[in-house]
Amino acid sequence: GAVVSQHPSWVICKSGTSVKIECRSLDFQATTMFWYRQFPKQSLMLMATSNEGSKATYEQGVEKDKFLINHASLTLSTLTVTSAHPEDSSFYICSAREWGTENIQYFGAGTRLSVL
Amino acid sequence: EDKVVQSPLSLVVHEGDTVTLNCSYEVTNFRSLLWYKQEKKAPTFLFMLTSSGIEKKSGRLSSILDKKELFSILNITATQTGDSAVYLCAVEIGTASKLTFGTGTRLQVTL
Repeated sequence: GAVVSQHPSWVICKSGTSVKIECRSLDFQATTMFWYRQFPKQSLMLMATSNEGSKATYEQGVEKDKFLINHASLTLSTLTVTSAHPEDSSFYICSAREWGTENIQYFGAGTRLSVL
Repeated sequence: EDKVVQSPLSLVVHEGDTVTLNCSYEVTNFRSLLWYKQEKKAPTFLFMLTSSGIEKKSGRLSSILDKKELFSILNITATQTGDSAVYLCAVEIGTASKLTFGTGTRLQVTL
């Protein structure tokens, strides 16, 4: 149980284009999902907290207009990197917390974004 | 500022050795401490600790939390090459359930 699927696993795009990343909880309902960014050999940095049916809460320094988050259902959250630039190249990982259980976050496999 | 510090940053051991990984923290509004194993991509959940002094065990892995001294350790006995990974410590803070991660300990187990 507690499987989180993230898609795509790898994406290459041109500078200026937008990229959407999906995060799905496959076998549980996730009222809260989290989006992280991980630079090489560094730890996970929380970008935003996504709550189903409401606006995401962004961490300090994260641009809301650049990283659009939508949590339209209890099993799906999306992160859209708008007008991507090379400095947005990174590893993005989502996690989901199951409603009514211990606050354990289960992670997706991550998406490697390369912006040319 | 909330802080989670792991040590050592990296470690190379021989198969069969026992290792201890450390995690110390300074946070406001502590709720729990979690350990994850990250091999190539997704961190996989190992343990969640909320109470001091109660050891959690799963096979060759065990972990304990000291809320007075603000640290946790993760022990791996009889290490195997499959234990090679980055081990992440995270502290859950506040009612929003946000996790603050340490930088991780990179463990390499050699034959």
